[in-house]
Amino acid sequence: EIVMTQTPVSSRVTLGQSATISCRSSQSLLHSDGNTYLSWLHQRPGQPPRLLIYKISNRFSGVPDRFSGSGAGTYFTLRITEVEAEDVGTYYCMQATQYPVTFGGGTKVEIK
Amino acid sequence: VQLLESGGGLVQPGGSLRLSCEASGFSFRNYAISWVRQVPGKGLEWVSAISGGGDRTFYVDSVKGRFTISRDNSENTVDLQMTNLRAEDTAVYYCAKGNCISAGLCVAAIDYWGQGAPVTVSS
Repeated sequence: EIVMTQTPVSSRVTLGQSATISCRSSQSLLHSDGNTYLSWLHQRPGQPPRLLIYKISNRFSGVPDRFSGSGAGTYFTLRITEVEAEDVGTYYCMQATQYPVTFGGGTKVEIK
Repeated sequence: VQLLESGGGLVQPGGSLRLSCEASGFSFRNYAISWVRQVPGKGLEWVSAISGGGDRTFYVDSVKGRFTISRDNSENTVDLQMTNLRAEDTAVYYCAKGNCISAGLCVAAIDYWGQGAPVTVSS
């Protein structure tokens, strides 16, 4: 199975500043169909996760453009610019290139 | 899009439980559905998935032979039959929709999640 490793484990960010989360996979996430099935999810306490980014850099419906994804192969990043209070919670990367689908361990974002 | 889980609860080790997910708001038969679980305070674990047509399934190793996923496209439901439950199966179980249309088992990304059904395995 593909192991997803996220860093940092936690991050404290000042409102209005930026945050960057990294995700590394143990194998390339490039699928034979030419797509890279790497997505980013956000989960607030007591809530289910919600999709932010899919296929590396595509924002899901309704996701603000403060969120952006990048990367290729085995290294990916999620960047949040102008962090707002509602951005607190845990962020997960997820790969669906190879089954089983696997998730990173999560990055907890808090406001300073 | 709505996904509504039911059937969670408390069960003794070795017991059985059936979770159900009722879906609405999309062309149900065109999308794979997954079950993802989360131990409170911990990370996410993908447990099982079933293709839109119901002919392809996948299970994570830790539940193979104990869990069975099925779907009824006439009722827009997906079930997860869990048997021989263990303490380590204790978690919130989410029903989750894949976001690609495919005849095969295609998850790609998970774009909608249910609110979750808590399962506790304890004597």
